[in-house]
Amino acid sequence: DTAVSQTPKYLVTQMGNDKSIKCEQNLGHDTMYWYKQDSKKFLKIMFSYNNKELIINETVPNRFSPKSPDKAHLNLHINSLELGDSAVYFCASSQSGGFQPQHFGDGTRLSIL
Amino acid sequence: GIQVEQSPPDLILQEGANSTLRCNFSDSVNNLQWFHQNPWGQLINLFYIPSGTKQNGRLSATTVATERYSLLYISSSQTTDSGVYFCAVERNSGGSNYKLTFGKGTLLTVNP
Repeated sequence: DTAVSQTPKYLVTQMGNDKSIKCEQNLGHDTMYWYKQDSKKFLKIMFSYNNKELIINETVPNRFSPKSPDKAHLNLHINSLELGDSAVYFCASSQSGGFQPQHFGDGTRLSIL
Repeated sequence: GIQVEQSPPDLILQEGANSTLRCNFSDSVNNLQWFHQNPWGQLINLFYIPSGTKQNGRLSATTVATERYSLLYISSSQTTDSGVYFCAVERNSGGSNYKLTFGKGTLLTVNP
């Protein structure tokens, strides 16, 4: 039973398109995150949500819009995709309050043509 | 922000060898995790270890929070241990932080 699941696993699309990545966790956690891993494998936080409230927006372009319909879901919508958006996007979750172990999904590999 | 440095950046071992990976961080932390990113890209939780020592099979980890470093020990390495090992920390900033800051990782290759 997958704890943090992301869909799709792979996303290949053209520059300028709009796409969404979905994330769901069944761990009962209150806090969810999006991280981006670039081509050099460097992982960096993009957003974190606690109880559906945005806590961190780490200077991510406005083209990226997270949406948390409930505590178990955190989706990422990206408008007007650019070549530089090609990366692996990881969703994660943890219990609320910070400083709790974070559990990661398997990642979504986004390739922009 | 907090700096996280991992060493060595690359490590090549023969199967059966032991190794130690190091993670230094520049400020006090309330969360430290070690991850293994396997060749399929999955990030596997190895340890949640803000302080002290833990063991899980052939792997063990020690964090000395007062000296701002953590060590990951891999004993009797196997080819399946290959991949990138990341250290990630969450800094105690006194307020809501809710993010892990990752090191650049150690690329481990275990040859048969």
